[in-house]
Amino acid sequence: QKEVEQNSGPLSVPEGAIASLNCTYSDRGSQSFFWYRQYSGKSPELIMSIYSNGDKEDGRFTAQLNKASQYVSLLIRDSQPSDSATYLCAVNVPDKLIFGTGTRLQVFP
Amino acid sequence: GAGVSQSPRYKVAKRGQDVALRCDPISGHVSLFWYQQALGQGPEFLTYFQNEAQLDKSGLPSDRFFAERPEGSVSTLKIQRTQQEDSAVYLCASSWAAGQGNTIYFGEGSWLTVV
Repeated sequence: QKEVEQNSGPLSVPEGAIASLNCTYSDRGSQSFFWYRQYSGKSPELIMSIYSNGDKEDGRFTAQLNKASQYVSLLIRDSQPSDSATYLCAVNVPDKLIFGTGTRLQVFP
Repeated sequence: GAGVSQSPRYKVAKRGQDVALRCDPISGHVSLFWYQQALGQGPEFLTYFQNEAQLDKSGLPSDRFFAERPEGSVSTLKIQRTQQEDSAVYLCASSWAAGQGNTIYFGEGSWLTVV
């Protein structure tokens, strides 16, 4: 079992819809969770971090964490074509970040 | 510099050639990480430094891979006798400190193609 698992997609949503991206992890000791966005040919850029159970909102993005279920998700409201990218879930284990394979999101007009 | 700087950005190596990839982290960042990203995959951890100490090299795929950070700043990832399966983007990242909660920032990567 990989330490961080994501559905590779592609996840296709229409412009204006909510995109929901999911991630599970195996190390119960992990305390820090991150979502990175990666455009094709570019390096990953941090969009959200979350450390406590519950929801964390930042603009159109909401990260959700459930440590009991070892589950992290990212919601993107009012999806735009510019949101089309690969979204990488990353988990601290413990001093390094372990990444999932990423979910490719396609937002169509 | 303002961000993590990597060079060369692109490298084509003949199979069997040695390559060296350089990373200049954000000034003052204690922790430095190397990742390998193959096409269509997420970044795979290679190795991690705290200052000049290499604290974890569990992700290095073989003894052909070697990394150093002698003065606790610039780091070099060396790949000896390159093979085609080494073709990937090599990402360097840095953070203020190690441990939970510290955000890491990535450079633009070094794209290695072995022919």
